Amino acid sequence: QQQVKQSPQSLIVQKGGISIINCAYENTAFDYFPWYQQFPGKGPALLIAIRPDVSEKKEGRFTISFNKSAKQFSLHIMDSQPGDSATYFCAASKTGYSTLTFGKGTMLLVSP
Amino acid sequence: GAVVSQHPSWVICKSGTSVKIECRSLDFQATTMFWYRQFPKQSLMLMATSNEGSKATYEQGVEKDKFLINHASLTLSTLTVTSAHPEDSSFYICSARDPSHLYEAFFGQGTRLTVV
Repeated sequence: QQQVKQSPQSLIVQKGGISIINCAYENTAFDYFPWYQQFPGKGPALLIAIRPDVSEKKEGRFTISFNKSAKQFSLHIMDSQPGDSATYFCAASKTGYSTLTFGKGTMLLVSP
Repeated sequence: GAVVSQHPSWVICKSGTSVKIECRSLDFQATTMFWYRQFPKQSLMLMATSNEGSKATYEQGVEKDKFLINHASLTLSTLTVTSAHPEDSSFYICSARDPSHLYEAFFGQGTRLTVV
């Protein structure tokens, strides 16, 4: 019940296109859903996060869509750029000092 | 967002020696910090939860005598890899949740440990 399933494992998108990464969770007690961007040799950087009281959150080119009934959430990267090429991790947890449960990650390559 | 600083960024040590990695929360107090290990092209694997002023909680399969964790203050947690061996070579990352920012979780920049 603690799993977070992430897909796809890898993704190639042309510059200017939309990158979409999906995650599904099982634990209905989770109420914090962040996305992290990780470049090789670096720690994960918090990109954007959402809580169940809203169905969508947008920050610049990054949007999280959240479907509570389906227990799914997704990251949309609009106007994808080569600099967005990185590994993206979704995660879920309860608010507070709870541990994060991570998806397995998606390697995104944005071709010029 | 909040800043979590990890030091060193990389370290090479000889087999049998010990290495200490520091994790600091720079602009918030972190009563709890988390330590992860990451293998190439894999997700983050939680090793332990570090609690200020008390013993760390280790995940199943993590040797507490090999990976010593000390959380001596509200802004500093350390991970010491004792008697390191080549199989301990990995990328270690710490994390903390900021109570002043709705407990959002921030990560350090990671430490690449190579044991030769």
